[in-house]
Amino acid sequence: QKEVEQDPGPLSVPEGAIVSLNCTYSNSAFQYFMWYRQYSRKGPELLMYTYSSGNKEDGRFTAQVDKSSKYISLFIRDSQPSDSATYLCALILTGGGNKLTFGTGTQLKVEL
Amino acid sequence: NAGVTQTPKFQVLKTGQSMTLQCAQDMNHEYMSWYRQDPGMGLRLIHYSVGAGITDQGEVPNGYNVSRSTTEDFPLRLLSAAPSQTSVYFCASSYGRTGYRNTIYFGEGSWLTVV
Repeated sequence: QKEVEQDPGPLSVPEGAIVSLNCTYSNSAFQYFMWYRQYSRKGPELLMYTYSSGNKEDGRFTAQVDKSSKYISLFIRDSQPSDSATYLCALILTGGGNKLTFGTGTQLKVEL
Repeated sequence: NAGVTQTPKFQVLKTGQSMTLQCAQDMNHEYMSWYRQDPGMGLRLIHYSVGAGITDQGEVPNGYNVSRSTTEDFPLRLLSAAPSQTSVYFCASSYGRTGYRNTIYFGEGSWLTVV
């Protein structure tokens, strides 16, 4: 079993929809939680970074962490075609330096 | 400010050949690392460095060597390329220790095919 599980999709939604992307993890020692966006043939870019249970909002994006359930989510409101990309969750263990453990990524397509 | 720069962008190698993927950052970051990305596997850590002269292995280090002689550069060497090393390679860098808002920056990637 992988340490971090993520549904690979693909996920296709109409423009304006609310998108929910999720990851589950098995190791309770994960302390930092990130979401990266990766466009085709590009490097990952950081979208959201949090370390506590609860919600964190940034514009149209909301990151949610539930440490008791070992479950993290990224919500995208009013989705746009420019949001079409692969979304990767990435976690860091307590004392893990800057070593990221990634989910496999969810491919999202937002259609007009 | 160029950020994290990787070269080459694309490379085709024959089995058994050696090569070096270059990574440079101009942000004076202490931490640098190499990941490979394969379909269905996500990104996996190959090697990382916490500063000049200090390197360590990640999850999938076999077949790769690294060194860190300067803060700016962190090259990844393939000693004897194998088809299993066909992948997309990403270099990443960040400031010091993990902390809130400690952004980890990625390069644009190097696409490697071993035939």
